[in-house]
Order: sequence, then structure tokens, then C-alpha cells
Amino acid sequence: AQSVAQPEDQVNVAEGNPLTVKCTYSVSGNPYLFWYVQYPNRGLQFLLKYITGDNLVKGSYGFEAEFNKSQTSFHLKKPSALVSDSALYFCAVRDPYNTDKLIFGTGTRLQVFP
Amino acid sequence: SAVISQKPSRDICQRGTSLTIQCQVDSQVTMMFWYRQQPGQSLTLIATANQGSEATYESGFVIDKFPISRPNLTFSTLTVSNMSPEDSSIYLCSVARGPDTQYFGPGTRLTVL
Repeated sequence: AQSVAQPEDQVNVAEGNPLTVKCTYSVSGNPYLFWYVQYPNRGLQFLLKYITGDNLVKGSYGFEAEFNKSQTSFHLKKPSALVSDSALYFCAVRDPYNTDKLIFGTGTRLQVFP
Repeated sequence: SAVISQKPSRDICQRGTSLTIQCQVDSQVTMMFWYRQQPGQSLTLIATANQGSEATYESGFVIDKFPISRPNLTFSTLTVSNMSPEDSSIYLCSVARGPDTQYFGPGTRLTVL
């Protein structure tokens, strides 16, 4: 079965420090991978995606993600965290058997402390 | 990206009643999607709505419980029927926009008492 795992329920980081939110996937074929962010009482906002090409993908708000095929990972990173980055982050993969469908991980709550 | 609005933003409903959620997009799209996010959990696709045809439901979701309308290329509704407390969730609509990316509405937070 196709799946996405986010092994950390919560990540805590001090403002100004680098942050990493982990994501691993299990999918047939070449993966289409996505990161979304959900702020309190808001919908999901698209951050970035990997379809093909350069393994390092840059997205909104200074975030980037690195696709690693051998480790089946797509970790989200930011060099310097902001308090305003505190939110719920979801990794997702497109279902290769139903390309309209996104399969989401369980989410990781990022808390950035001043 | 896409500008997507949903109504209502939140509601508190009594058991056994039904609620219809509206989703409006700023431009025409072929497919619209409805997701459910149960408390503290991830998002699950309920159904895909194409204009002019019946919605396609995912395993575990049925039309009688979640009827969907798609009257035109910018609008869709999801009805949560005969509600129970287990239906308390955030319901989100999304659209696919060029290419390969889904954009989500702000969600409807439903509480069933």
C-alpha cells in the first residue's frame, strides 16, 4: 500500500536555528511528493513539491526539501526558523494508482520558541 | 495558485441533522476534491467531483452519507447527512491547478453534539 510516514508528532526548535521535519514514503514508481502547512484555524497551504529534477526543491517562506531516493525520504528544512513558522506540517504523496488522490502523513507540529 | 472559499467556516449541529458545505473557486476547474480531517488526524480523501457526472467516492465513504453536487466548473457542495458526533471534523475542498498540485480551501470546522 502507498503510504507516507512522519515519525515525529512534534518538533521543537529555537528561533534562528535550522529546522528539519522528517518524511518518508512508500510508493510504487516515481513519487510525486508535497509539503503543506496548516496554521491554526486555517486551511492547508502549499509549500513545495518534488516531481522530477533537482533533488533540492525550494518553496514558499524560505522552506526547502531534499528528495533522497535511496532513503525514500523527503525532509523539509529551513536554515533559520521563525516563531511564525510554528504550525502543523503535512507531507503528502500522489497515489500512483489514482493520480487525483493525495495520501497524507499524520502531520508534525512545529513549535519555534523565541 | 487558486482562491478557494468555503461556507460556513464553522458550525455546531445536532445529532441526526444534515449540513451542506459550499466550496467556491475563483476560476473554472475540471475536478474538485473533498477531504476530511478528523480531530488530531491527517486528511483523508472523501470523493472527487467532476462537473456533469457523479462524484467518485473513496473506500469507506458513501453517497448516501456524503452527497456531493457539482453544478458548474467553479462550485461544489458536500452534504454531511444524518450527523453523529463521529462526523465532527474539518472538511476541506481542494482543486488541482497546474500541474500536479492541489490547493485547499480554508476548511469548515464541524462539531456535532
